[in-house]
Amino acid sequence: QKEVEQNSGPLSVPEGAIASLNCTYSDRGSQSFFWYRQYSGKSPELIMFIYSNGDKEDGRFTAQLNKASQYVSLLIRDSQPSDSATYLCASRDGSSNTGKLIFGQGTTLQVKP
Amino acid sequence: DTGVSQNPRHKITKRGQNVTFRCDPISEHNRLYWYRQTLGQGPEFLTYFQNEAQLEKSRLLSDRFSAERPKGSFSTLEIQRTEQGDSAMYLCASSSRGPPGETQYFGPGTRLLVL
Repeated sequence: QKEVEQNSGPLSVPEGAIASLNCTYSDRGSQSFFWYRQYSGKSPELIMFIYSNGDKEDGRFTAQLNKASQYVSLLIRDSQPSDSATYLCASRDGSSNTGKLIFGQGTTLQVKP
Repeated sequence: DTGVSQNPRHKITKRGQNVTFRCDPISEHNRLYWYRQTLGQGPEFLTYFQNEAQLEKSRLLSDRFSAERPKGSFSTLEIQRTEQGDSAMYLCASSSRGPPGETQYFGPGTRLLVL
């Protein structure tokens, strides 16, 4: 069974610090990876996607992908209390032509003022 | 671009009743997905439409679940003879292109509670 694993947390960081969120995936055929943010009671909101090894930066967010280690991470610089949410890592099912996503259970991030 | 919309936003029903949810994707998006999310878990794929064709269904989707997308526009998800285990957030997502560059945008979800 294809899986995406995340530590459920909570991960607590002080305001202004760097938050580091990690996930691993089992599907070696997967080529695309996504980070979604989900506030309590709301639906997932896309933050970033990555499909090349290395780093991809967008504002305060950096996604990192290491296909050899089957590892994806998200760094949030200058963390703000408004970043407090659950962060979902997802991989695209590599054996499907449909683009369906396989999600981890999410990591809860708490940014303390 | 008004985003993906879903109705109703909340539904409370009694066990054994049928319920139907609606999803309106972003207007130019021909790809539509349904996911289900339970508390403390990530979303799980249910089914996928490309235009009006239902091209994939999860093994999670029992015979009590059916989905349609007539004319390739809005989609409906029906659950017959609801069970308490069906209580979850039902999420719809749409996109305009396929892998590898595809990004899916989620609607606000329909939260179902089966009593």
